[in-house]
Amino acid sequence: GAGVSQSPSNKVTEKGKDVELRCDPISGHTALYWYRQSLGQGLEFLIYFQGNSAPDKSGLPSDRFSAERTGGSVSTLTIQRTQQEDSAVYLCASSLGVGLSYEQYFGPGTRLTVT
Amino acid sequence: DQQVKQNSPSLSVQEGRISILNCDYTNSMFDYFLWYKKYPAEGPTFLISISSIKDKNEDGRFTVFLNKSAKHLSLHIVPSQPGDSAVYFCAAATTGNQFYFGTGTSLTVIP
Repeated sequence: GAGVSQSPSNKVTEKGKDVELRCDPISGHTALYWYRQSLGQGLEFLIYFQGNSAPDKSGLPSDRFSAERTGGSVSTLTIQRTQQEDSAVYLCASSLGVGLSYEQYFGPGTRLTVT
Repeated sequence: DQQVKQNSPSLSVQEGRISILNCDYTNSMFDYFLWYKKYPAEGPTFLISISSIKDKNEDGRFTVFLNKSAKHLSLHIVPSQPGDSAVYFCAAATTGNQFYFGTGTSLTVIP
């Protein structure tokens, strides 16, 4: 079956512009996570959606970052007024959700470069 | 503050020998631990996991060991194969399903 997909695969943007990154989770997965991986770093948790509950935004690095998940499926991560330190690979993952499975399935990521 | 640490950024092993990847954590509330494997330009893929109530889980060539008193887990790959060359991330999760990942260890299996 189809896995987690993300678009675009690569994005180059100028400093100060806004960007939107998209994630299509596996159908039926109620949990969705966003991470980012900067060069030489591990995966940094950004935000977590579980069903219809309020998202866990505790990992968002600043108020320039926001995410939404429409209809419990597709999610969009928005970065406003991008800065060079936002350059990273942004990874999305989905899972069956709380109490069902801890296993996350990752998408291929979006490589964001801010010039 | 890094709650999950992988102190070895890289490891090289001869084909057929054992690969041992290590991971340390600081939060005693973690109740589930996972290992992920990542090839370049791809997302991480799940490899093996272990619940905090166990101390060992085995799946084919892969075995994960958990030492709760030392807050340490390790992944053993036996025998190592060239296709195992990748970056390995350990991760720890709480019941709230928030995950914490280590910085990864790059494994190279030399033919």
